Amino acid sequence: EPEVTQTPSHQVTQMGQEVILRCVPISNHLYFYWYRQILGQKVEFLVSFYNNEISEKSEIFDDQFSVERPDGSNFTLKIRSTKLEDSAMYFCASSEFGGGPSDEQFFGPGTRLTVL
Amino acid sequence: QKEVEQNSGPLSVPEGAIASLNCTYSDRVSQSFFWYRQYSGKSPELIMSIYSNGDKEDGRFTAQLNKASQYVSLLIRDSQPSDSATYLCAVKGSSASKIIFGSGTRLSIRP
Repeated sequence: EPEVTQTPSHQVTQMGQEVILRCVPISNHLYFYWYRQILGQKVEFLVSFYNNEISEKSEIFDDQFSVERPDGSNFTLKIRSTKLEDSAMYFCASSEFGGGPSDEQFFGPGTRLTVL
Repeated sequence: QKEVEQNSGPLSVPEGAIASLNCTYSDRVSQSFFWYRQYSGKSPELIMSIYSNGDKEDGRFTAQLNKASQYVSLLIRDSQPSDSATYLCAVKGSSASKIIFGSGTRLSIRP
């Protein structure tokens, strides 16, 4: 069964450093998402992406964050200057239809980001 | 602020019994409703989606939706120890792409 993959599974970085989290969505899906989950808290939406553009973003997704689809398979989340509070699990998700009511989003295994 | 509310649990159910999980949401125009299962340290796994009022069954799982009451539920029949996890209720509006998650209900199936 096709699945979303993410690399790395765990990233440790120093505060102020840039990190890039990578995702390979399900191959026939056209809509991509990033969510994050701080330990013990809810899963929170960060951004959605379709047709090489951001469709929607949350207030968390400030100028420190950016997303890119650098090629036909990868989808990346960049955090320019990490803060301690960026420590969380970051989940990539993808969906086939997007935006419509029958939009089932499938999640990757996540990248655990630890900022020291 | 659009909210999805769940009882955090833990909900303890004997093996073989029915587990009943509930969720309410605040945004009346929400169109799509999902149940995800999340094991500790893992990612959310989609187990059910429901879009119309009524019941939707898939194997041992039944999702129920009542838009007038803004209420979604998940029934798990013949509960197994492997069903022990946190169950996340998630809601999406008709035009929005984001899913709003509840904080989850921790379910424990006791042998």
